Amino acid sequence: SQKIEQNSEALNIQEGKTATLTCNYTNYSPAYLQWYRQDPGRGPVFLLLIRENEKEKRKERLKVTFDTTLKQSLFHITASQPADSATYLCALDMSYSSASKIIFGSGTRLSIRP
Amino acid sequence: EAQVTQNPRYLITVTGKKLTVTCSQNMNHEYMSWYRQDPGLGLRQIYYSMNVEVTDKGDVPEGYKVSRKEKRNFPLILESPSPNQTSLYFCASSLSGGETQYFGPGTRLLVL
Repeated sequence: SQKIEQNSEALNIQEGKTATLTCNYTNYSPAYLQWYRQDPGRGPVFLLLIRENEKEKRKERLKVTFDTTLKQSLFHITASQPADSATYLCALDMSYSSASKIIFGSGTRLSIRP
Repeated sequence: EAQVTQNPRYLITVTGKKLTVTCSQNMNHEYMSWYRQDPGLGLRQIYYSMNVEVTDKGDVPEGYKVSRKEKRNFPLILESPSPNQTSLYFCASSLSGGETQYFGPGTRLLVL
């Protein structure tokens, strides 16, 4: 069965540096891969979606890459700020015409020190 | 305001007492899902629905039921709750597959 792994349970970096989070999966590539931010006690908030035929997607200080050969996605936050501290989740979106299965990783807790 | 609402937000119940957690969205979304979130296990999909009267199992459907009689509502039913269903539950909706999922605020359930 499909498995998804976010390499670091926690990541601690200095403000201003680039945070890089990793998401690896086994078996077949999903149609889409999504990244979410979750703050304590709240529901996940969508950040970026990348399709299997896209290599890279950007939104302001965020960048996502998707390598279907390595079966890996990298999520970057440049010029990180303490307000970026949160748990970040990646999700494989296996949606196709007759199903909509979505598999989440267990998340990486990111802490940005001032 | 576009949103997904869940009720109740907190619930304490006893083993075997049937309960329903409601979920409603006001964005005219086709797709809706229920997830549970447990420490160390992340978010796991319980059931999903791709349209009215179309539902299917996710990864952990045992002990749960759902229905989708109208587009905006997707209630989660626990016919006979057990302590291992103690968890944080999220409802989510999206326009279709491969689109942004919008999550509700969560329902924290404790089954004694």
